[in-house]
Amino acid sequence: SQKIEQNSEALNIQEGKTATLTCNYTNYSPAYLQWYRQDPGRGPVFLLLIRENEKEKRKERLKVTFDTTLKQSLFHITASQPADSATYLCALEDSGTYKYIFGTGTRLKVLA
Amino acid sequence: KAGVTQTPRYLIKTRGQQVTLSCSPISGHRSVSWYQQTPGQGLQFLFEYFSETQRNKGNFPGRFSGRQFSNSRSEMNVSTLELGDSALYLCASSLGGLGTYEQYFGPGTRLTVT
Repeated sequence: SQKIEQNSEALNIQEGKTATLTCNYTNYSPAYLQWYRQDPGRGPVFLLLIRENEKEKRKERLKVTFDTTLKQSLFHITASQPADSATYLCALEDSGTYKYIFGTGTRLKVLA
Repeated sequence: KAGVTQTPRYLIKTRGQQVTLSCSPISGHRSVSWYQQTPGQGLQFLFEYFSETQRNKGNFPGRFSGRQFSNSRSEMNVSTLELGDSALYLCASSLGGLGTYEQYFGPGTRLTVT
């Protein structure tokens, strides 16, 4: 079956450490993959987009990798801060069906 | 630049009724997409409109419909409401294709069906 899986459990890390979130997909062929942040009661906010021919993308303290062979994207937040606490979602558009799908999301909590 | 706006923000309806939600995209954005978010199912894609045409559709029953106007504003309609339709409905606008452009989300409409 087709699905996108993210760390199902909440992720707690200490302030200053690097948080690593995973996004694994099966039976999709995305040309692009996106990451969003969502705070409680609010709509998601776009963070990064990575193309299938890009191995890595960076933006300030954020880094995304995309491995089409492993069908996996990793999302890193370096020097994490309590303000980074939120739910992080990955999303992709399947190039075969043009369906747009969000992952289940990972709740990140950065402890001071 | 003003963000995506959605009205109303909160809505309470009873089973069997119908509801219309509205979304005003960011100026210049021609793509508007709609999503349903529930604790159990997460964020699920409903449909996308681009220049008044439905370009993509998720796996929802025909009770869920939408349209887009020439000014890119969009409405979503749900007929014969069921208890399971209680959710946060989000719309998002973007310059172009869903996967290739970043989407800007509105604050959502919280629909409660009793």
